[in-house]
Amino acid sequence: NAGVTQTPKFQVLKTGQSMTLQCAQDMNHEYMSWYRQDPGMGLRLIHYSVGAGITDQGEVPNGYNVSRSTTEDFPLRLLSAAPSQTSVYFCASAPDILTTEAFFGQGTRLTVV
Amino acid sequence: SQQGEEDPQALSIQEGENATMNCSYKTSINNLQWYRQNSGRGLVHLILIRSNEREKHSGRLRVTLDTSKKSSSLLITASRAADTASYFCATVPTRTGGFKTIFGAGTRLFVKA
Repeated sequence: NAGVTQTPKFQVLKTGQSMTLQCAQDMNHEYMSWYRQDPGMGLRLIHYSVGAGITDQGEVPNGYNVSRSTTEDFPLRLLSAAPSQTSVYFCASAPDILTTEAFFGQGTRLTVV
Repeated sequence: SQQGEEDPQALSIQEGENATMNCSYKTSINNLQWYRQNSGRGLVHLILIRSNEREKHSGRLRVTLDTSKKSSSLLITASRAADTASYFCATVPTRTGGFKTIFGAGTRLFVKA
């Protein structure tokens, strides 16, 4: 079972570059979300989606865009990378958010220089 | 500010001892979840407790929830070196419509063999 797959695992960007972090799940989950985790901190919610075509902002959405064209995929786009976006990014999915747990990918470690 | 706050921030115990971690939150919730994160890895779900439940067990884990005090505790009994990890509580607040899972900063547990 693949579960939640994130690519790439590691990425180095220059300030101002753009890129897309990929997230795919094969469990037919409606709910997907993106978090960032900074050293010694918990996860902060960036964006989430409750189904294909529906997205909404989390706690720290600035500088990031998302789309949800299919149930399986939920890419996260960095529009113009900044050093403050250096972090570990986690994607998660869940059948629903009110009664079930979330399944996490292994993370993407992003460094912006 | 984050919804959940764990206490203590770090905990070091001997193998075989019990470990207790606490989580406090600010608003009413749909459910509260506990996750474990091994160093450099994604989060793994441990247990979910709904707002109308007071206690749940899963193996060596015991979770309590006190909605009047807006707090939860995670007890790991007979700890093992393999329990060394960071533990996070996560809440799904009702005020936001229940679509955001908010994480605390975590408790870092170190179990000495």
